[in-house]
Amino acid sequence: AQSVTQPDIHITVSEGASLELRCNYSYGATPYLFWYVQSPGQGLQLLLKYFSGDTLVQGIKGFEAEFKRSQSSFNLRKPSVHWSDAAEYFCAVGARGGSYIPTFGRGTSLIVHP
Amino acid sequence: EPEVTQTPSHQVTQMGQEVILRCVPISNHLYFYWYRQILGQKVEFLVSFYNNEISEKSEIFDDQFSVERPDGSNFTLKIRSTKLEDSAMYFCASSDRTSNRELFFGEGSRLTVL
Repeated sequence: AQSVTQPDIHITVSEGASLELRCNYSYGATPYLFWYVQSPGQGLQLLLKYFSGDTLVQGIKGFEAEFKRSQSSFNLRKPSVHWSDAAEYFCAVGARGGSYIPTFGRGTSLIVHP
Repeated sequence: EPEVTQTPSHQVTQMGQEVILRCVPISNHLYFYWYRQILGQKVEFLVSFYNNEISEKSEIFDDQFSVERPDGSNFTLKIRSTKLEDSAMYFCASSDRTSNRELFFGEGSRLTVL
């Protein structure tokens, strides 16, 4: 079965600074990979996903993520963080060939300082 | 934009009581899911539902849990006899065949068991 590790529980950045949120997965083949964001009082919203092809994936709100097979990672990046990006970020992995119901990590809470 | 809606947003109940959490998935979606997140822990898969039956369930989804699609629009999660450890945020999600199984989530229902 697949699993996801988000090693950072909290990340604090200054507004305008760059951001990288880490995600490592465990799965025997190339998985489906997702990043979701949850703003306070909101549901989980899909930021981006990787299914195949180009390993650098562009998402909404200026986010991107890069699938690195050799490192079993799918880190989320943004070049310049805005105060509105403060939220909880979840990485998820889905198995191919089957139900591919996503398995989520525990989330990383992003705090943005002015 | 179509969205998944969940009610109630917050429910407080006494241990041993029955709770029903309600979800209205996106209207043309065929797959429905429940996830939960205990405070500070991972978002955990509970159950998926397709074609009026459970398609997959996790170890967490034991006999005290049940799901139903009573009227073609609502999708409910029932917890028969709540325990303290059932306190969590419960997320409903839905998906269709054409979006590569992207899950669309509701805002969640927070359950507090006293």
